[in-house]
Amino acid sequence: QVTLRESGPALVKPTQTLTLTCTFSGFSLSTSGMCVSWIRQPPGKALEWLALIDWDDDKYYSKSLKTRLTISKDTSKNQVVLTMTNMDPVDTATYYCATGNWGSQFDYWGQGTLVTVSS
Amino acid sequence: QSVLTQPPSVSGAPGQRVTISCTGSSSNIGAGYDVHWYQQLPGTAPKLLIYANSNRPSGVPDRFSGSKSGTSASLAITGLQAEDEADYFCQSYDTSLSGYVVFGGGTKLTVL
Repeated sequence: QVTLRESGPALVKPTQTLTLTCTFSGFSLSTSGMCVSWIRQPPGKALEWLALIDWDDDKYYSKSLKTRLTISKDTSKNQVVLTMTNMDPVDTATYYCATGNWGSQFDYWGQGTLVTVSS
Repeated sequence: QSVLTQPPSVSGAPGQRVTISCTGSSSNIGAGYDVHWYQQLPGTAPKLLIYANSNRPSGVPDRFSGSKSGTSASLAITGLQAEDEADYFCQSYDTSLSGYVVFGGGTKLTVL
């Protein structure tokens, strides 16, 4: 059974750096073809893909947010970490992690974590 | 502005058939990348509904079907039920400056 769970602060101040952790079970990120992505959704708005890391430690980022994002993995802990610098109120959103095979659909999603950016 | 274009809303009465379109371009759907669909019930995470254009994961009713042609894809829901009221998002991949993974703007389905 595949599960993912996002964790991190519910509230961050503008200009701060956000660090989110995705802890998963039921699959290994060292298995060829496996990937974990971060996706966010502002309240009442569309999904926006942020970043992806694959089994080979290759990383892909949203072109519009590339300079602010870093994704990494700790295979031994079954965790993927996303950092986003210089947070702004427009970054207020529910942040999801999701998994699937490379170049394919997102089969499993975490429940999401709401991050509010406010002073 | 999402890379994939969906109608903001659709509606239908119980038992009816509705379709939701997802229009892309030559750098995503038209380049041959598969289209996937997700259903998001109020207050919950998205759930995979259709993968690789027309395939249903185990447990998804056959009332849901998908198709793809050229630079567009469609999700069809037949025998509409009240519990189908949700947001629906399409997703694909893209080779342009837009990014790597792209989503549609989402469509709110209202069951009248």
